[in-house]
Amino acid sequence: DTGVSQNPRHKITKRGQNVTFRCDPISEHNRLYWYRQTLGQGPEFLTYFQNEAQLEKSRLLSDRFSAERPKGSFSTLEIQRTEQGDSAMYLCASSLGMSSYNSPLHFGNGTRLTVT
Amino acid sequence: TQLLEQSPQFLSIQEGENLTVYCNSSSVFSSLQWYRQEPGEGPVLLVTVVTGGEVKKLKRLTFQFGDARKDSSLHITAAQPGDTGLYLCAGGRSNTGNQFYFGTGTSLTVIP
Repeated sequence: DTGVSQNPRHKITKRGQNVTFRCDPISEHNRLYWYRQTLGQGPEFLTYFQNEAQLEKSRLLSDRFSAERPKGSFSTLEIQRTEQGDSAMYLCASSLGMSSYNSPLHFGNGTRLTVT
Repeated sequence: TQLLEQSPQFLSIQEGENLTVYCNSSSVFSSLQWYRQEPGEGPVLLVTVVTGGEVKKLKRLTFQFGDARKDSSLHITAAQPGDTGLYLCAGGRSNTGNQFYFGTGTSLTVIP
């Protein structure tokens, strides 16, 4: 168990550019979540996958955001035409189990995005 | 809109003091999890409670789930500098799919 891995750890981009983040979950975990967190606040849910299927998307996930998990393993989160308000920590988490509401979430260390 | 409100938002105490963090909602949750997060890292699970009225202890930490499963508390006895961090509660609801709702967070600083 090598834990959840996220890359890159930090990304600085100019407004209007596109960025893509990658998440490698714990290998046997079937669920994968993306959250966004601003400094000192709790994570906000963005989207969730069960295997390769994207089952839920938050209204926070505008049409500039897209997430994929093509083979049910790693996932990517792309933000197009970045805005300064997109600056945040993007966290990925994975979990295992049939009863999702009490399965622990295992988080990566996040990708910190700064849009200048 | 945050479904879970935590209080206090910030807490700074001396080493050895006791403290309680509250997590409140008007909604019922199937489970309640507590996480601790350190700067530059992801949250790490401390405990999961699923039964109304349930109390769990983890060394100097005591977690309680409210009888109505709408609220929870975290009590730390004899706080140590290593307890410093952002404490997050997260509610899981079995009838809304698979997302967890995180609280607003409590930033704890324990001064040596």
